[in-house]
Amino acid sequence: QVQLKESGPGLVQPSQTLSLTCTVSGFSLTSNSVHWVRQPPGKGLEWVGAIWSGGSTDYNSALKSRLSISRDTSKSQVFLKMNSLQTEDTAIYFCTRFTAYWGQGTLVTVSS
Amino acid sequence: DVVLTQTPSILSATIGQSVSISCRSSQSLLDSDGNTYLYWFLQRPGQSPQRLIYLVSNLGSGVPNRFSGSGSGTDFTLKISGVEAEDLGVYYCMQATHAYTFGAGTKLELK
Repeated sequence: QVQLKESGPGLVQPSQTLSLTCTVSGFSLTSNSVHWVRQPPGKGLEWVGAIWSGGSTDYNSALKSRLSISRDTSKSQVFLKMNSLQTEDTAIYFCTRFTAYWGQGTLVTVSS
Repeated sequence: DVVLTQTPSILSATIGQSVSISCRSSQSLLDSDGNTYLYWFLQRPGQSPQRLIYLVSNLGSGVPNRFSGSGSGTDFTLKISGVEAEDLGVYYCMQATHAYTFGAGTKLELK
């Protein structure tokens, strides 16, 4: 069945770079897009970006200058990298095979 | 950017009551391909979002038929015909016609 699982560091220092991995199973990255969505604690959902089946990407315009999404199809993994992290980037980060399948999310806290 | 305005922000209901949530868009969500990319999600406490409705009115896989979606253009509604305890949580509308935007959410709680 379709599954997605996020992994990452949990705690990142301000101004540093966040690196997250989404490992998928039950479907092919070359036939499906994967999106990232984040949710600050106690707040709403925000679309972060996507990598499409052909490998092209789209990013939230507010995050575009700091964001990069890539993938390794041989490992069924999608990567998110965001630099210059600030406390406002503290959130649960979800990867999703939009819109029906979601990972459990991973909490990223930006703090010194 | 497209703004989605959900009302109410908090909805108190009793078990069995029918309720509706409104989602209004700052722009028409009708795409040039003829589709309207409006979705509804439920996020239960501590869980990932679950898709309920896609393309305005299509029920997601495994979603009970007490949920229904309607609307067009800029005005959309999610209706729950007979709230059950498992329906409690936060409901979000989302549009994917003009990039991607979520509404601020509607919390459904027990009265």
